[in-house]
Amino acid sequence: KNEVEQSPQNLTAQEGEFITINCSYSVGISALHWLQQHPGGGIVSLFMLSSGKKKHGRLIATINIQEKHSSLHITASHPRDSAVYICAVRRFGNEKLTFGTGTRLTIIP
Amino acid sequence: GAGVSQSPSNKVTEKGKDVELRCDPISGHTALYWYRQRLGQGLEFLIYFQGNSAPDKSGLPSDRFSAERTGESVSTLTIQRTQQEDSAVYLCASSLARQGAVNQPQHFGDGTRLSIL
Repeated sequence: KNEVEQSPQNLTAQEGEFITINCSYSVGISALHWLQQHPGGGIVSLFMLSSGKKKHGRLIATINIQEKHSSLHITASHPRDSAVYICAVRRFGNEKLTFGTGTRLTIIP
Repeated sequence: GAGVSQSPSNKVTEKGKDVELRCDPISGHTALYWYRQRLGQGLEFLIYFQGNSAPDKSGLPSDRFSAERTGESVSTLTIQRTQQEDSAVYLCASSLARQGAVNQPQHFGDGTRLSIL
């Protein structure tokens, strides 16, 4: 079993829909990252969380440390949000990131 | 530029050749990471540098892989005697993170797409 599991693997939605992507992990962590990878391959760091909730524009990320679970929400989704969204965790005392396999999001106009 | 720069952006080489991939991190970033992404798969950690030292090289898949960093800046990832399974996108990231310090976000380069024929 992977240390970091994401769901769903693929998600297709209509423009304007509210999107939720989930991430569960099985180890103690010091931080969780949400990353966005566009079709060209470039990766952008969206959020880094160690507790609570963060918001940036239409994106919201939450984390529940006790339940070892994080969600990424996109409000009023747009075709330009189409990308692969990757959850990654940093374990205590360890600098490296362990990655989920990603969620491929497609927003249809 | 202001971001992490990787070169070359694409590299095609024959099986058995050696390749060298370069990463220029954001100026002042003490931490540097190499990752690999094979086609259709998730990202895999390869090696982490803090300054010029590599406290964690646990992700290097074999002794054909090595990396160094100089001047707390540029890093090179070298793959000797390349094999077809080495074909992947190799990504570099940097951050302000120092060991034991608070978490810092990682900034990624665009990667080098390596194809072994």
